[in-house]
Amino acid sequence: DTAVSQTPKYLVTQMGNDKSIKCEQNLGHDTMYWYKQDSKKFLKIMFSYNNKELIINETVPNRFSPKSPDKAHLNLHINSLELGDSAVYFCASSQPRGTGLSPNEQFFGPGTRLTVL
Amino acid sequence: SQQGEEDPQALSIQEGENATMNCSYKTSINNLQWYRQNSGRGLVHLILIRSNEREKHSGRLRVTLDTSKKSSSLLITASRAADTASYFCAANTNAGKSTFGDGTTLTVKP
Repeated sequence: DTAVSQTPKYLVTQMGNDKSIKCEQNLGHDTMYWYKQDSKKFLKIMFSYNNKELIINETVPNRFSPKSPDKAHLNLHINSLELGDSAVYFCASSQPRGTGLSPNEQFFGPGTRLTVL
Repeated sequence: SQQGEEDPQALSIQEGENATMNCSYKTSINNLQWYRQNSGRGLVHLILIRSNEREKHSGRLRVTLDTSKKSSSLLITASRAADTASYFCAANTNAGKSTFGDGTTLTVKP
């Protein structure tokens, strides 16, 4: 069974379009993340949700809107896509350590390669 | 410059040799983790070291952490061709923020 799954795996779209990427985890974790990995392999956190509540929002344009309907799902909707949005987007989940929010091991999904033409 | 810088950016060694990668970070952390990424895949967790630990081992992996220098190193001993991948450190704060380094691309030649 896949622990963290993302759909779609590939997404090719035109500039200006709106698209969504879905993520689901079956690990029972409380925390989920979205990361963006650019063409130089730099991996940057975008959002983090803990029990459906937003806890990290890293200066991401408001064209990006995450939605967590329940703690097993964290979807990413992107409005008005731009060329610079082309990247691989990774979803991850983890269970916080102790009483704080610091993550234990993060489990990553396979990634969604977004290409904006 | 980004928090969680790594060096070297690229490392090429022969099978059987040891590989050492370094990572630096800028803020206080709860723990630091190392991940591996094969080409076209998601990241896979390798090892976690807590801020009050100095060294940790797991199989052929050895991680050190120096919180006074805000740096960590990952040593892979007796490397194999299958170790070829990119390796990332992730500095994790108490607030739940996870900052990844720029990564080291390791090539192990058979």
